[in-house]
This record gives sequence, C-alpha cells and structure tokens, in this order.
Amino acid sequence: LAKTTQPISMDSYEGQEVNITCSHNNIATNDYITWYQQFPSQGPRFIIQGYKTKVTNEVASLFIPADRKSSTLSLPRVSLSDTAVYYCLVGDTNAGKSTFGDGTTLTVKP
Amino acid sequence: DTGVSQDPRHKITKRGQNVTFRCDPISEHNRLYWYRQTLGQGPEFLTYFQNEAQLEKSRLLSDRFSAERPKGSFSTLEIQRTEQGDSAMYLCASSPSGFSSYEQYFGPGTRLTVT
Repeated sequence: LAKTTQPISMDSYEGQEVNITCSHNNIATNDYITWYQQFPSQGPRFIIQGYKTKVTNEVASLFIPADRKSSTLSLPRVSLSDTAVYYCLVGDTNAGKSTFGDGTTLTVKP
Repeated sequence: DTGVSQDPRHKITKRGQNVTFRCDPISEHNRLYWYRQTLGQGPEFLTYFQNEAQLEKSRLLSDRFSAERPKGSFSTLEIQRTEQGDSAMYLCASSPSGFSSYEQYFGPGTRLTVT
C-alpha cells in the first residue's frame, strides 16, 4: 500500500474554498485515491474517489495530475460544519486492507 | 436499514476481563472490516471478511483478538484478557461487492475503556 503524506492541520474561514493536498509518490498502477471525512466520535465517511484527472460530486472535487504522485481534495465554500479530519487513502480497490494515515485536521472559523 | 450499527457504543471493563463487540453491516454488504482508532490517530486496520471468510488479518491483531462472521451477516470482535493498551475506539465498516473496497460505510464505533 502506497504511503501518503498530508498536512497535519489547516485553518480556513467560512465561504472559502479549501484545498488539501496528499502526496503519494509510490502509487501503483492499480491504485485508486480515496478521501474520507471524520467528525469527532463518529466513523469516517466516504467523500470521493478517483484514478486520474478530475472527479466531482455534490460534496467535493478531486484533482489528480498526470503523474498521479499527488492529489488535491477541493471543498468549495466551506462552512463551520466542514470542520473535521480528512484522510487520503491510496490502494488497489480489490485489496481488503485499507491504510489510513493521521489525516488533516481542518478547522473552519467564522 | 439505515447504516452500519455497532453494539455497545461504550464499554468500560477491568484489565484482564474479556469483551465482545457486535457489528451489523448494511444489508447485503458482503465485505466487513474492523478497525481500531486511538485519539489523534487514523483508524488502524484489524481484519477483513468477505462473506463469512476472514481473508486478511493485521499483525496488530494479537492472539487475544478474534473476529467471526459466522453466517456472513453480523460480526463479532472479541478481546480476551484486556489490557490498558486496548483502550480505543473499535470501528466496523462494510461495503458491497463490486464496489471499491475503499468505499466503505462505517458504523459509529464502540469506545472501549480498560481500567
């Protein structure tokens, strides 16, 4: 499983766009990139997954450059309720094991 | 069925006692996962089931830990002779076949405190 590196923490203000970057230099050909969100005392919640280029859903966008050695989760117009820990995972979708790093703690301020 | 459920939500036990946690996945999800999470850390993978078969088991899972999924539906995680280091949140997740194994649906967790 590819190792991932994310910033430990980030601060933002309500209404701003937030971009969280994850580095995964050893990503393999079959690996996908997946992001989860976790609030205190809750289990993680799936946000978005992608393989290359750009993926967008109702919650976020995921940008993956051509070399796939990094990815950026983009949260448009954050609100206070987006304060959470965000995890980047990289791995083969057929693999059972999932490796979470320590994530990025995003704090949204009023 | 609205999601993955776990029982109990909180458990306080004394060192040396055995504890058992239950996880009910989303109906028809044939993949089930157990994780352990301590404060400030990301979830650590413990084990994974495809239907009733336990396919993967982390080295973190010592001999005191055992997990079962006898009929491919609910699962139990038992910890024998608990130690203070076992204090953590135990998370269960499930996913349907055909989906990315990374698109997992997590339960609320069971918080274990060993005194």
